[in-house]
Amino acid sequence: GENVEQHPSTLSVQEGDSAVIKCTYSDSASNYFPWYKQELGKRPQLIIDIRSNVGEKKDQRIAVTLNKTAKHFSLHITETQPEDSAVYFCAASRGSGGSYIPTFGRGTSLIVHP
Amino acid sequence: ETGVTQSPTHLIKTRGQQVTLRCSSQSGHNTVSWYQQALGQGPQFIFQYYREEENGRGNFPPRFSGLQFPNYSSELNVNALELDDSALYLCASSPTVQTSPNEQFFGPGTRLTVL
Repeated sequence: GENVEQHPSTLSVQEGDSAVIKCTYSDSASNYFPWYKQELGKRPQLIIDIRSNVGEKKDQRIAVTLNKTAKHFSLHITETQPEDSAVYFCAASRGSGGSYIPTFGRGTSLIVHP
Repeated sequence: ETGVTQSPTHLIKTRGQQVTLRCSSQSGHNTVSWYQQALGQGPQFIFQYYREEENGRGNFPPRFSGLQFPNYSSELNVNALELDDSALYLCASSPTVQTSPNEQFFGPGTRLTVL
């Protein structure tokens, strides 16, 4: 089955700095890569996703890059703000019998210091 | 439009007991997935239901079972509870399971503690 590795497990930055979280996956057939943000005690929420036919996607301060050859994808947050502090999860999924079932990484705790 | 809801929010059980968790999907969504999230871990896929049929299953034993109802709400049942079943159980709904992936909308979760 799919295996997703996520690094680092904890990331501490100063407000205004950039943050980068990296994930690798094992199944070359995976073709959908969502990123979720989970604030303490709250539900995971999708912040950005990318499909395998695209190499990069950007949404304001957030961007995701995908390298299919190397089987890794990364989340980039620029101009970090204290409200970006949360746990971020990457996931990789592939279609199988009509369903898309994501395998999640273990999460990165991002701490943005004011 | 209402979001995904789950009940109960918290639950304490003892080993060997059985538990039923409930999820109401977001309006217009016909697919529900269930996840187990242990402390400090990412969500682990349990199974997915599409139009009342199981549509995929993760690496969980048969004592984890589920249902989806005609209104697309869903239940997760766990029999013979073990201490390791203590976790946050999340359900997520999405509008379709067909040919391309769609965003999954998560509920707030049920915190299960097994003593």
